[in-house]
Amino acid sequence: GQSLEQPSEVTAVEGAIVQINCTYQTSGFYGLSWYQQHDGGAPTFLSYNALDGLEETGRFSSFLSRSDSYGYLLLQELQMKDSASYFCAVTPDTGGFKTIFGAGTRLFVKA
Amino acid sequence: NAGVTQTPKFQVLKTGQSMTLQCAQDMNHNSMYWYRQDPGMGLRLIYYSASEGTTDKGEVPNGYNVSRLNKREFSLRLESAAPSQTSVYFCASSEGTSGKLEDYEQYFGPGTRLTVT
Repeated sequence: GQSLEQPSEVTAVEGAIVQINCTYQTSGFYGLSWYQQHDGGAPTFLSYNALDGLEETGRFSSFLSRSDSYGYLLLQELQMKDSASYFCAVTPDTGGFKTIFGAGTRLFVKA
Repeated sequence: NAGVTQTPKFQVLKTGQSMTLQCAQDMNHNSMYWYRQDPGMGLRLIYYSASEGTTDKGEVPNGYNVSRLNKREFSLRLESAAPSQTSVYFCASSEGTSGKLEDYEQYFGPGTRLTVT
């Protein structure tokens, strides 16, 4: 089966850098995705790592290490609007594009 | 483009009642998904449809049925609602065929907040 683990909460200060980790147990997968969800809203896609290494998109970067079964989302120059829940997700290589989500990390950004 | 739309936004049911949640996308996506989200549990896949005419079970399919009516529409039916089905339901879609990044980027609808009493 597949399972993903993330910290339940992270708190950081505006302007700082924060890293949200995701460890997973899965037999095989296409890649690791990250989604952001504000309270009362729908998840929105942030990034996808198919290969090991770092992917950068503006203030957000995502990293994957298949050998360590580990990934992270890095948020730089934190802003108050980054306060949200962040979910990592894997797409198992069992066919189709279904996705298994982690329980999410709640990020609180303080002034 | 409206993206992914869901109806209704809110619904209250009594135990044993049935209802259908509607979802439509206007992005010509091949794959569509139904998730439920409970507090502290992230998103759990109920059913998905890799392409028009096909459906498959996800992690938590019991108590639900789906219909991929055409390429645009994917509905979720609760035949006999139970309090355990109180949740927020999200529909999503993705490109699903190109073998590129676009396959894995899912677009979500605004959600349906369902309460079963």
